[in-house]
Amino acid sequence: GQQVMQIPQYQHVQEGEDFTTYCNSSTTLSNIQWYKQRPGGHPVFLIQLVKSGEVKKQKRLTFQFGEAKKNSSLHITATQTTDVGTYFCAANTGGFKTIFGAGTRLFVKA
Amino acid sequence: DSGVTQTPKHLITATGQRVTLRCSPRSGDLSVYWYQQSLDQGLQFLIQYYNGEERAKGNILERFSAQQFPDLHSELNLSSLELGDSALYFCASSVGGSGRTNTQYFGPGTRLTVL
Repeated sequence: GQQVMQIPQYQHVQEGEDFTTYCNSSTTLSNIQWYKQRPGGHPVFLIQLVKSGEVKKQKRLTFQFGEAKKNSSLHITATQTTDVGTYFCAANTGGFKTIFGAGTRLFVKA
Repeated sequence: DSGVTQTPKHLITATGQRVTLRCSPRSGDLSVYWYQQSLDQGLQFLIQYYNGEERAKGNILERFSAQQFPDLHSELNLSSLELGDSALYFCASSVGGSGRTNTQYFGPGTRLTVL
């Protein structure tokens, strides 16, 4: 069945350093979504990518969807302590089932 | 505030007991999803309903069951509870159920503690 691998599992950075998390699917995707969960909170939708090679930006966050629509990445430039949390990708092949990645937990040291 | 409500916020119960978790989706959303999140773990998808019908099933135990009612609210029933069932249970809702209409909005969760 469809699998979604998200790496790394954890990332410790110094404030001001960049951060990237990657999501890889075994099958071609219809779309991919990214969510952020702050410590003690619930997942919050960040963005959805639909088109092959799509790149979207939200302030310091850059989201990319691979040309083959099998992988995606989230890059944060110059991390801040407010970026702390777990970032999840969520992959959909067009059907009803959405597969969440295991998440990347980001720690930012001030 | 996502617009998704979950009750209760906290639940403490004993092994062997049965509990019901409730979720009200955002206004206009037809799909409801249930997830289990154990301490510092990922989101384990349990089940999805769309407009009252079951649409997708994850690793949901036979002791667990769910339904979505005509007013679109949903309930997750957990029975014969075990210590390992202690977790955060999230409900999410989306406008549609598939493809590009399944952006999910999560509720605040119900923290279940089984003693």
